[in-house]
Amino acid sequence: GAGVSQSPRYKVTKRGQDVALRCDPISGHVSLYWYRQALGQGPEFLTYFNYEAQQDKSGLPNDRFSAERPEGSISTLTIQRTEQRDSAMYRCASSLGPSGAYEQYFGPGTRLTVT
Amino acid sequence: SQELEQSPQSLIVQEGKNLTINCTSSKTLYGLYWYKQKYGEGLIFLMMLQKGGEEKSHEKITAKLDEKKQQSSLHITASQPSHAGIYLCGAFQGGSEKLVFGKGTKLTVNP
Repeated sequence: GAGVSQSPRYKVTKRGQDVALRCDPISGHVSLYWYRQALGQGPEFLTYFNYEAQQDKSGLPNDRFSAERPEGSISTLTIQRTEQRDSAMYRCASSLGPSGAYEQYFGPGTRLTVT
Repeated sequence: SQELEQSPQSLIVQEGKNLTINCTSSKTLYGLYWYKQKYGEGLIFLMMLQKGGEEKSHEKITAKLDEKKQQSSLHITASQPSHAGIYLCGAFQGGSEKLVFGKGTKLTVNP
């Protein structure tokens, strides 16, 4: 079946612009996670949704970052007024249920470059 | 906060050799995931370990969880070039959905 998909795969934007990154989880997966991965590092947790409810946003770096999942399926991560330090790979993952009980499956990621 | 340290950071082996990658946690391990990342690509799920002492195998890869040592090990038998990539361990913190990852171990298998 189809895995987690993310779009766009690559995004180049100018500093100060807003960007929206999309994640389409595996059908039926209730849990959705956003991570950010810098080169040479492991993924860093940003936020977590259970259905449409954002249960944990403790990893969002500042208030320029926000995420939503209005219908409990597709999620959008929005970065406002982008800065060069926002450049990274943004990864989405989904699972059937909570961590520890179910596997998290990752999408291919969106490579964001802020110039 | 929990931190995961992976060792070694990188590893180069000849095809056919066995190897072990370790992942050590600074706090109690409630469970652990192993993933493989091909260069510039997504993370491929390998195994999830949920209990102390648990051991799982998939093809030539075996992973164990040692609760007392707060450590997991990933062992590859008779390595092949297809095993090359970056191996990442991720642990979930008790009472949180947050998954914390190590920095990864880069494996190169020379034919």
